[in-house]
Parts: sequence; structure tokens; C-alpha cells
Amino acid sequence: EIVLTQSPGTLSLSPGERATLSCRASQSLSSSSLAWYQKKPGQAPRLLIYGASSRATGIPDRFSGSGSGTDFTLTISRLEPEDLAVYYCQQYVGSPPITFGGGTKVEIK
Amino acid sequence: QVQLVESGGGVVQPGRSLRLSCAASGFTFSDYGMHWVRQAPGKGLEWVALIWHDGSSQYYADSVKGRFSISRDNSKNTQYLQMNSLRAEDTAVYYCTRDIRSKYFDLWGRGTLVTVSS
Repeated sequence: EIVLTQSPGTLSLSPGERATLSCRASQSLSSSSLAWYQKKPGQAPRLLIYGASSRATGIPDRFSGSGSGTDFTLTISRLEPEDLAVYYCQQYVGSPPITFGGGTKVEIK
Repeated sequence: QVQLVESGGGVVQPGRSLRLSCAASGFTFSDYGMHWVRQAPGKGLEWVALIWHDGSSQYYADSVKGRFSISRDNSKNTQYLQMNSLRAEDTAVYYCTRDIRSKYFDLWGRGTLVTVSS
């Protein structure tokens, strides 16, 4: 099973600042197998990024993804108050088990 | 409107059973593999089960293998999760989600809460 480790656990930043979230895999992944989701309390998860760097439909361009191999990054270029959420990376290499990282909580100062 | 709507959650005693449903609308349900993903209180997301678009194959997380069963009825645009021998650690919000190219999930329901408690 591929284990995804996200860091930091919590990120506290002011509006307008840049947020950098890390996701490290226990073994090398194809970039096409890495996705990022946003989860707000009481809401369904929302797909942000697929294929490590492609934005999903309707996602603002302040969200971007990058990385390859075992190290992937989600960047929020200019934090907005509505970006308060927990962010999860996920790997899905074509067959189960599918795994999620433990999440990074983004707090707005 | 493209959407997934879960139902069937509730409070159930340990060892009992519950069946969740997920009704799909606004897209060709039979073209997509479907999953269940859960989130326990205060915890992260956990993948639970997958069923192929035609129902021919099913896969399960080790934590539910042998107790849970995923199925679908493409004529009713609905998938199901039969949960048997429920445990306290199965308490979670259960989400139905759509598979895209065996790579990611692009559409999620709002979830249904399952509480296992005596």
C-alpha cells in the first residue's frame, strides 16, 4: 500500500499570503495518479487538482499543483478567507487500495 | 443536474447491519465506476470500496473486507453499500463518489452519517 504523508499538519497564514502544502509518497507515483481535494466542515470533498498539476473545472487559478516521483505540492498563491479548509492528497494508481494523505489544515489569521 | 445523493444512514447497534444507497442523476451512470469513501469524526478521508461501471468487479479496503458489500443497479442509477457486523470504528460520514479514468474522483455526494453505538 502506498502511504502519503502530508506536511505541515496545520498552516496558519494571513489573507493574501502564499500557502505551500506538501505530499510525499512512500514510493514513486506516476503524476497522473496524484490528486488534491479541499474539504470544508459539513461539505463534500471538492476536487481541486488531478494529474498532479491540472486544475479541475471551476477551480480558481490561485490553486496550482506540481511535483513528480514521490514529492508533490499544492500551492495557493494568494490566500482568500474562503480557503479555510483541510486539504488532502490522494493516490490512485489504477487499482485499489486507494489512499489519502492525513491532510493539511489551512487556517486564516 | 449532475449529482449524487446518499441515503440510509442512521444510528445502529454494534453487530447489526445497515444498507446505504447513492442515487445518481444528470449523467450516464452505467459509464462510470463508483466508490464509497468515509470520514470518521475528527479523522481524515478513507477509501472504502469500488465497483466497476458494469458491476463485474468489486474492491474493498482491508478494514471492511468480509463485512461490507458494494453493488449497483444501473437500471435505477443507484449504487449500494451493505454494511454487516458493524463496529464502533465504522462510525463516519459515508460519501458516494464517481471514478474518472481510475485516477481520481470528480463528483461527490453530500454524505450520510452512520453512527454505531449501543
